[in-house]
This record gives sequence, structure tokens and C-alpha cells, in this order.
Amino acid sequence: DARVTQTPRHKVTEMGQEVTMRCQPILGHNTVFWYRQTMMQGLELLAYFRNRAPLDDSGMPKDRFSAEMPDATLATLKIQPSEPRDSAVYFCASGFLSRGRAFFGQGTRLTVV
Amino acid sequence: KQEVTQIPAALSVPEGENLVLNCSFTDSAIYNLQWFRQDPGKGLTSLLLIQSSQREQTSGRLNASLDKSSGRSTLYIAASQPGDSATYLCAVRVRRNSRGGSEKLVFGKGTKLTVNP
Repeated sequence: DARVTQTPRHKVTEMGQEVTMRCQPILGHNTVFWYRQTMMQGLELLAYFRNRAPLDDSGMPKDRFSAEMPDATLATLKIQPSEPRDSAVYFCASGFLSRGRAFFGQGTRLTVV
Repeated sequence: KQEVTQIPAALSVPEGENLVLNCSFTDSAIYNLQWFRQDPGKGLTSLLLIQSSQREQTSGRLNASLDKSSGRSTLYIAASQPGDSATYLCAVRVRRNSRGGSEKLVFGKGTKLTVNP
């Protein structure tokens, strides 16, 4: 049963520390999204990749966030340095072609203290 | 800029009732619209996907409609059950614009549904 896998599921870290979240998209999907979900803002797009190339990262604070796809089986979202306001659930999703469904992972719940 | 609104924000109904969740979007230039379900502390599960050329999709007790010209979609749940309790989100896949904008998913804030036994 193909699924998007995210690690870790939970992360608690101190302010100023580096955080790396990982995502394994569904094999064959050519589109990968990173979203952040908070109670106040709902789901916000952070970054979007097509065939491993970043197409849109306008939702990401560039000074501290970075998103990469080193290969087709791995997407990473890094925060350095982390801040308490980064506390949220971070979701990765993958899909195939422009018109297909997006499939979401279980999310990484990040708490920055 | 595409904006997606879901009304109501929360809904509580007795078991067995038929119900409708609403989603509206401001820009009709979309590839598709997708309805998701999210259980507390969990990820999003895709329920139905409607392409921009389609009017509705059905899966079991769920029926979703799309009226692109008016910027509206509804999710109809028949004979609701306590297991349907969750937050339901709709998302539109925006079309790439002439300036090369991305085909991202834009989400509403969801409707939290509670079905009481």
C-alpha cells in the first residue's frame, strides 16, 4: 500500500537548534509539496517541487527555511535556527501530474521551546 | 490570489442525518478540486477529486459537486455516522498563470464535523 512517509513524527527542540524533517514521496510521483498547519492559519504552502526542481518556495521564510530534493525518494525541509513560532505540524504531500490527487503523509509535529 | 472559504467552520448533527458542507473559491482558473478528511492528530486522507471539466464525483455515501463558474463545491454526506466525525477540508489546484505561477493546492480552513450517536 503506497504512502507518503514522514520522519520524525514528533520533534521537540530548543530555540536556535537546527531541525530537519524528511519525506519519502510515493514512488513515481513527480510533484512534492511541503505544507505547514497551525490552528490560526490552517494549511499554508511552504514549497513545491516538480521533478525534483523547486517551482515555488514563496511561502517559506528564506532566511531560516530551506527545502531540497536530493533524489526522487527523499525531500527534506530544514529550519536553522528554529524559533518558537515555527511550532506547527509540517506535512509533505506527493502527486503525479498536474491533475492527479495529492497524497499526504502523517505529518511531523514540531515544538520549539 | 486564490482564496478558499469553507462554511460552516463547525457542524454538529445527530446520527443518520444527511448533510452538506460548502466550499467556495475566488478564482475559477483551477485544474481540480479535492476534498480531504483529517482526523485529530492525523494526516489528510483524500476523499474525492473533481477535475475542472467534471460536475460531480461519488464514493459510497459521499457525493461532491463542482460549479466552477460560480466558484463553489459541496460535499454531501448521506446517512451520517459517528465515524464520519472529523475535519473536512477542500483544496483547489490552481492553474499555472501567464506569469508562470505554480500549480499549488490552496486549502480552506476546514469544517469540523461532529456526528452524535
